[in-house]
Amino acid sequence: GQSLEQPSEVTAVEGAIVQINCTYQTSGFYGLSWYQQHDGGAPTFLSYNALDGLEETGRFSSFLSRSDSYGYLLLQELQMKDSASYFCAVRDATNAGKSTFGDGTTLTVKP
Amino acid sequence: GAVVSQHPSRVICKSGTSVKIECRSLDFQATTMFWYRQFPKQSLMLMATSNEGSKATYEQGVEKDKFLINHASLTLSTLTVTSAHPEDSSFYICSARLAGGYEQYFGPGTRLTVT
Repeated sequence: GQSLEQPSEVTAVEGAIVQINCTYQTSGFYGLSWYQQHDGGAPTFLSYNALDGLEETGRFSSFLSRSDSYGYLLLQELQMKDSASYFCAVRDATNAGKSTFGDGTTLTVKP
Repeated sequence: GAVVSQHPSRVICKSGTSVKIECRSLDFQATTMFWYRQFPKQSLMLMATSNEGSKATYEQGVEKDKFLINHASLTLSTLTVTSAHPEDSSFYICSARLAGGYEQYFGPGTRLTVT
C-alpha cells in the first residue's frame, strides 16, 4: 500500500516563499502530484513529477527525489489567494494507476 | 483544461432513502473515473475506481452494495448511495483521467446530508 506524510499546517506572510514537504512509502511508484483545494471547493491540479528533479510552473515548483521517496512543493511570492490546502498524491504503478492522497497541508498566508 | 461536472451539488435526504450522484466529463472521454469521500478538514479517501464498461474496483472497507457505481459511458459515471444513513453524510468528489494521462480532473463535489 501507500502512505504519505506532509505537515498539517504552514503559515507564512505575503511575498514570502514556502516549501511543503511530502515523504511517501509505496509498493509501486509511478509519480507524485500536487493539488490545491480551497475551502468548499474541488481539488485542482498543480504539478506532477515522475522523474527526479524540479518542475517549474510560474510561482509554483515541485521537486522529486525517487531515491529518497521525497518531494516538495515550493510556492514563491505568496499571495493571500494561495491560502488553501495542498495535497501530495502518489500514483500507483499497479492497480489501475490510482492515486493515494496525503492528509493535506493547510497554508495560511498573512498580510 | 478538461472539465468535469457533478450533479447535484448539494442534496439532503432522509435516512433509508437512496441518492444518485452523477459525474460527467464534459469535453473529453474518461476511461477511468475515481470516487472520493472527504470529511471536513481531512484528506480525500478513495472509495472506488470506475472503468467504463466494467465493474468498479472498490477500496478495502467500502461496501460495494451500499455504494453502487456505474460507468455506463466514457463521459458518465454514477454513484448511488443506497439506504443512506446519517453517517454517510459527507462531501463526495469524482475525478476523471484521460487515457494515458496523469492529471486528475475533479468535479466540484456533492455535499450529501442525511437526516
